[in-house]
Amino acid sequence: SQQGEEDPQALSIQEGENATMNCSYKTSINNLQWYRQNSGRGLVHLILIRSNEREKHSGRLRVTLDTSKKSSSLLITASRAADTASYFCATDYNTNAGKSTFGDGTTLTVKP
Amino acid sequence: GAVVSQHPSWVICKSGTSVKIECRSLDFQATTMFWYRQFPKQSLMLMATSNEGSKATYEQGVEKDKFLINHASLTLSTLTVTSAHPEDSSFYICSARDPGTGRETQYFGPGTRLLVL
Repeated sequence: SQQGEEDPQALSIQEGENATMNCSYKTSINNLQWYRQNSGRGLVHLILIRSNEREKHSGRLRVTLDTSKKSSSLLITASRAADTASYFCATDYNTNAGKSTFGDGTTLTVKP
Repeated sequence: GAVVSQHPSWVICKSGTSVKIECRSLDFQATTMFWYRQFPKQSLMLMATSNEGSKATYEQGVEKDKFLINHASLTLSTLTVTSAHPEDSSFYICSARDPGTGRETQYFGPGTRLLVL
């Protein structure tokens, strides 16, 4: 089964509203990362949260991690039209290998 | 922050030809780079791990003879799609980790869009 499943698949909100995206995974991880991808572009690293952390903030971003539920959430507050993009979570379950497994992603549309 | 480049950014080729994609780490040395493939509206799928000075490690289901990877230096990895066919059309993205900042954060290239006619 797939590591890093996300919901919702698509989210449409009005500018100024908050957007919450969730990610679930199946095996123990060393850390979990969130990325952003604009259409047809590469990925931009947003935030990394380690397995011994529960919450991290970066600007308008807030990430939580619940290892007991094997889930993480990404909250974007006061969204802007420029936040429109796809957001992916990626889990590192074996840091020595350096590999990440990506979730299916959530496509966020912020309407002006 | 660390920068990874890819070249070309897009390529159109005829079926049966081979296409080489370059991935460069511009301001750090990367002993390990990763190659991903992304189909439209789908997630990134890891194809292989490129190791400097040794053979690449391929993920299950990825044909090593079709997707040739060469990591000739600490700043360059190449992916060659041999005898490309229309089903190989995809968005290919490389990434690298900066050892100077630990192994945790991957820096991604801008991607290469391949269209095989």
